[in-house]
Amino acid sequence: DGGITQSPKYLFRKEGQNVTLSCEQNLNHDAMYWYRQDPGQGLRLIYYSQIVNDFQKGDIAEGYSVSREKKESFPLTVTSAQKNPTAFYLCASSIHSGGPWGNEQFFGPGTRLTVL
Amino acid sequence: GENVEQHPSTLSVQEGDSAVIKCTYSDSASNYFPWYKQELGKRPQLIIDIRSNVGEKKDQRIAVTLNKTAKHFSLHITETQPEDSAVYFCAASIGQAGTALIFGKGTTLSVSS
Repeated sequence: DGGITQSPKYLFRKEGQNVTLSCEQNLNHDAMYWYRQDPGQGLRLIYYSQIVNDFQKGDIAEGYSVSREKKESFPLTVTSAQKNPTAFYLCASSIHSGGPWGNEQFFGPGTRLTVL
Repeated sequence: GENVEQHPSTLSVQEGDSAVIKCTYSDSASNYFPWYKQELGKRPQLIIDIRSNVGEKKDQRIAVTLNKTAKHFSLHITETQPEDSAVYFCAASIGQAGTALIFGKGTTLSVSS
């Protein structure tokens, strides 16, 4: 299960506070992703990054922000603008061959965020 | 926006039976279709994937079929076992760049012995 890690496993925050979730990978993958998982909703894409210093919004980017200053790291900040931030957050990474085909995404263990 | 529909949402089978989960996608540029298995409290893990240049792929008891014309793909599990019980997600790549995925809402498979 090594290669992509997320910390912490559980996170509790008060309403109105910003919080940053960590995601690190040592797989030398170019692309990294953040998903939110809610019961019965599957995995919804928040942000993704194909190369350092570049990232794109997914379907539910509002209230979230990311940075990609290093290839190994893709932290996600949940801001106070996110209306319902309590959820399970999954980070993933994949190679980016530059060709037309998608590639397997490897997931981290997830962070469960609870906003009180 | 682009969408992936997955059916059924729950599926209960007896051990040894086959299970079929179906997905449809909307983005005609999608060319990569993975299936992930997520056990309770664990991260999703890839079980099989298919690219749009093939129509079928098998790996032991698991197979995936793809119909590009109908924008439809399916997961087939034969000789199901209790350890197959989990949530299964289908996904489709987004656009021609192909790296990002859009996921279905998942199917909870229960295999009873």
